[in-house]
Amino acid sequence: SAVISQKPSRDICQRGTSLTIQCQVDSQVTMMFWYRQQPGQSLTLIATANQGSEATYESGFVIDKFPISRPNLTFSTLTVSNMSPEDSSIYLCSVDKQNIQYFGAGTRLSVL
Amino acid sequence: GDSVTQMEGPVTLSEEAFLTINCTYTATGYPSLFWYVQYPGEGLQLLLKATKADDKGSNKGFEATYRKETTSFHLEKGSVQVSDSAVYFCALRKATNAGKSTFGDGTTLTVKP
Repeated sequence: SAVISQKPSRDICQRGTSLTIQCQVDSQVTMMFWYRQQPGQSLTLIATANQGSEATYESGFVIDKFPISRPNLTFSTLTVSNMSPEDSSIYLCSVDKQNIQYFGAGTRLSVL
Repeated sequence: GDSVTQMEGPVTLSEEAFLTINCTYTATGYPSLFWYVQYPGEGLQLLLKATKADDKGSNKGFEATYRKETTSFHLEKGSVQVSDSAVYFCALRKATNAGKSTFGDGTTLTVKP
């Protein structure tokens, strides 16, 4: 299994500011994944973070808006930049281990 | 592309009632199938899984059987409890697409005492 810790668990931010979300895994993994869950909706993959290379973004998501760092095999950060109320969501970190996908508890972001 | 269709919610049941949440999928190849549960204010937790046709996943009294002929993976529980109130997500994952699971829209279950 995998234990994933995310920080912060929730935040309320002002429009135009940025928030960096941290994700720590209890074991080394090749890829880490960032998802967004908008209110009342399912999960949407934002990007895949590989250690030592740039993240791979899904359609509709860009690096300038969601820069990602992956400095080592157990840690990643996702920044939500220049926030607007439409960015209010739950952001989830995930890893795939032994053919099972595990998730952190999520970061609940509200943008005013 | 791949897709997962879940029974629309919300679902409201009385305690000890029988639960079925329908899930069907469309995918090429042979995906693994999963049910995740999200309790209020928490992230997704894996509830159960099945990796090939006719496999039955089970956990905490919940069961689901991988039916390839009907492309289904319905979640069942014989007697629900108030503590089962949560959002349930059906998902598929392909070995060739690790980490990129396809999720259904989620079904909200409320169990009343």
